[in-house]
Amino acid sequence: SQELEQSPQSLIVQEGKNLTINCTSSKTLYGLYWYKQKYGEGLIFLMMLQKGGEEKSHEKITAKLDEKKQQSSLHITASQPSHAGIYLCGADKNNDYKLSFGAGTTVTVRA
Amino acid sequence: KAGVTQTPRYLIKTRGQQVTLSCSPISGHRSVSWYQQTPGQGLQFLFEYFSETQRNKGNFPGRFSGRQFSNSRSEMNVSTLELGDSALYLCASSLGTGGLGAKNIQYFGAGTRLSVL
Repeated sequence: SQELEQSPQSLIVQEGKNLTINCTSSKTLYGLYWYKQKYGEGLIFLMMLQKGGEEKSHEKITAKLDEKKQQSSLHITASQPSHAGIYLCGADKNNDYKLSFGAGTTVTVRA
Repeated sequence: KAGVTQTPRYLIKTRGQQVTLSCSPISGHRSVSWYQQTPGQGLQFLFEYFSETQRNKGNFPGRFSGRQFSNSRSEMNVSTLELGDSALYLCASSLGTGGLGAKNIQYFGAGTRLSVL
């Protein structure tokens, strides 16, 4: 079972459109990590959020962590085919180097 | 700097056999974590090693074991393989020196795809 709830499970977006993925925990998180995975391959680190209310951006991807540190969102602006893949949120719940992951969100970008 | 290297990339074994997977972390990283990824259960934590000591362990049977060498390279072993052990096994490394922040970002290898027949 997943300790982090990710939504939606999958989404299809037209190239150039925006998209948002959510990640929710019932517990306060020490750290929240976003990764991207191509099917059957390793995870690529995107961003890490630690502080309540924190927001980080890299290129066209923005991630936010809410004030209570229980929910995060990943927003992609003007999606491109290179944004296609599986996005996973991972969290360190107890500051013990063990990451728990959501089930992932599969993103398809249509030309 | 080279990334996390996992070998082999693919393995096919039969039930009852055992298997050893290898992971070389990013140079300077002393923490190595192992994860199992399956379609049904998603990504699940197996164990984490730091300076040759296991610091944390997930909820897997004793058939799953690991170790870390003095150069931080790590191996995991699965004995008496079962069909359900078929999965992508991922290794991740980090500085792992405590506290929050960039020191604990885990960087993943490409994984080893294990198929048990």
